[in-house]
Amino acid sequence: GQQLNQSPQSMFIQEGEDVSMNCTSSSIFNTWLWYKQDPGEGPVLLIALYKAGELTSNGRLTAQFGITRKDSFLNISASIPSDVGIYFCAGQRLNTGNQFYFGTGTSLTVIP
Amino acid sequence: GAGVSQSPSNKVTEKGKDVELRCDPISGHTALYWYRQSLGQGLEFLIYFQGNSAPDKSGLPSDRFSAERTGGSVSTLTIQRTQQEDSAVYLCASSKPQYTDTQYFGPGTRLTVL
Repeated sequence: GQQLNQSPQSMFIQEGEDVSMNCTSSSIFNTWLWYKQDPGEGPVLLIALYKAGELTSNGRLTAQFGITRKDSFLNISASIPSDVGIYFCAGQRLNTGNQFYFGTGTSLTVIP
Repeated sequence: GAGVSQSPSNKVTEKGKDVELRCDPISGHTALYWYRQSLGQGLEFLIYFQGNSAPDKSGLPSDRFSAERTGGSVSTLTIQRTQQEDSAVYLCASSKPQYTDTQYFGPGTRLTVL
């Protein structure tokens, strides 16, 4: 199945630094989601975006729905050790029912 | 329980054997999804249920894969004649019908085919 291009694949940062990751697709999406997955757990929804240009925050996390509707961005400010995990983007296209396409993930390591 | 549960948490099987993976969704969630996550990869959509019917089976990789849901609750994913490339974590998620983007995931079943 189709997968979204997510970058970077992995990040190693110092505690307190800001983090940026993005997701791109060749297709237009009408919904973008960002999830975090901890080891041995299922993904947990962080932020959902529904309109082009929309900017939504959840605590230290901010995500944006790209204007072209083919990309999305996630920023984490002032990272802390518990931010460690794998972050996935997911998108839903028009007329594809309830199917979501997932990115390949960004593995985040925060060094105390 | 409060969340989505899956069993078993780990399954090791020999090539050629059949396996059944179970998902118990959150009570009241009529939508149920199965995904496959291979090592270092994102989630690959397999199948979606609304109630007991599966309007979207487009992600099933081959006819060795099948899934059913009974009573609008528990779902079983069956893989027949398992192959080594079937090794992956199989994740189940459920959602309320009007909030299909808010999917709650179970912890997954890690399948290893020797």
